[in-house]
Amino acid sequence: DTGVSQDPRHKITKRGQNVTFRCDPISEHNRLYWYRQTLGQGPEFLTYFQNEAQLEKSRLLSDRFSAERPKGSFSTLEIQRTEQGDSAMYLCASSLIGQGKKDEQFFGPGTRLTVL
Amino acid sequence: SQQGEEDPQALSIQEGENATMNCSYKTSINNLQWYRQNSGRGLVHLILIRSNEREKHSGRLRVTLDTSKKSSSLLITASRAADTASYFCATVVRMDSSYKLIFGSGTRLLVRP
Repeated sequence: DTGVSQDPRHKITKRGQNVTFRCDPISEHNRLYWYRQTLGQGPEFLTYFQNEAQLEKSRLLSDRFSAERPKGSFSTLEIQRTEQGDSAMYLCASSLIGQGKKDEQFFGPGTRLTVL
Repeated sequence: SQQGEEDPQALSIQEGENATMNCSYKTSINNLQWYRQNSGRGLVHLILIRSNEREKHSGRLRVTLDTSKKSSSLLITASRAADTASYFCATVVRMDSSYKLIFGSGTRLLVRP
């Protein structure tokens, strides 16, 4: 257990529905990352936050995807009008940047999304 | 697209044997990291090797890095059934003041008891 938690762990939804995932990072960590991992592949970067500011988004993050980190603590990732191609494991990671810190990313257990 | 490619894609060995996994990448790196992922779970950081290092050890793990060939290898010695997992290499790509990890496609290791 790295200290990063994600909820839910599994989500099954029908195509066209909206889904929202939550990530709770390690409490003092100021950076939070979202990755997506499809079966048999490594994770792919989606976006990251420093405190509440979203600083970079991958081109993988289509208009149907939105991520927030309203108070610089937990983050949510919402997918609107889900498609079967959205089926994947969504991983969250957090890190602490600062003087003398290594900025190592700690990963949560992931949310597995299945779109029927 | 993913940065690294791992070889082999799958590896099956007997407990006690050594396991070697290779990773190739495309661009210049600051460092390269290896992660382990147990079935359907999150990633656990194993070891980091910097671009100016050639070899690093951590317990039963040995990592090498050849920047001229843009390749790295992970050796697990005296493997155990509990080492069964997927192993990913990840290279670091700078973004402003932070970085993102670019993962390879992974090697699925099975250690038979």
